[in-house]
Amino acid sequence: QSALTQPPSASGSPGQSVTISCTGTSSDVGGYNYVSWYQQHPGKAPKLMIYEVSKRPSGVPDRFSGSKSGNTASLTVSGLQAEDEADYYCSSYAGSSLCVFGTGTKVTVL
Amino acid sequence: QVQLQESGPGLVKPSETLSLTCAVSGYSISSGYYWGWIRQPPGKGLEWIGSIYHSGSTYYNPSLKSRVTISVDTSKNQFSLKLSSVTAADTAVYYCARHEPSKIDYWGQGTLVTVSS
Repeated sequence: QSALTQPPSASGSPGQSVTISCTGTSSDVGGYNYVSWYQQHPGKAPKLMIYEVSKRPSGVPDRFSGSKSGNTASLTVSGLQAEDEADYYCSSYAGSSLCVFGTGTKVTVL
Repeated sequence: QVQLQESGPGLVKPSETLSLTCAVSGYSISSGYYWGWIRQPPGKGLEWIGSIYHSGSTYYNPSLKSRVTISVDTSKNQFSLKLSSVTAADTAVYYCARHEPSKIDYWGQGTLVTVSS
């Protein structure tokens, strides 16, 4: 059970869009539509932003969207705002009630 | 509103057993969901440690399975983590959480556990 692969960093200017990838295998990302994304600000617990690939929990702005193709999932943040600067982690169900996280991506708003 | 709160020693000696408890309020553990532990070493990413289903079945990260035990006390509405034979590599913020296969919807605030003599 290896960690899902994310780029270490991503950045964009306010108002622009940034997309973060999350690459796994057919045993996790590619095998289930159970990919979720979490936002984590320094010193805080992670916060659920996207679940089941593309669903947004109540209260999460529609600037956040998710998708999946094959073994790679993606999170797009449109209309970047200063408060979007944070670490983002993907997670996937990996079968047999197991869970795996991504390596994390630091998003910087320039 | 579901709330989770971790508690336990903040300092553990190498080779000893790390023990943490997560108190849940606003929801009865026995009613459903998975209840899990996730950790984050300083400056690093998240790692799923393991979970216990409301029925009592347990599921562990294969890389930690030999050292991890998760249990539940429904009378106190809390669940616990034990991690044996700890080393400095186990130093991390430990989070407890409620989850389903599709998402982790509630997290505790996290507690820092340092392994040091």
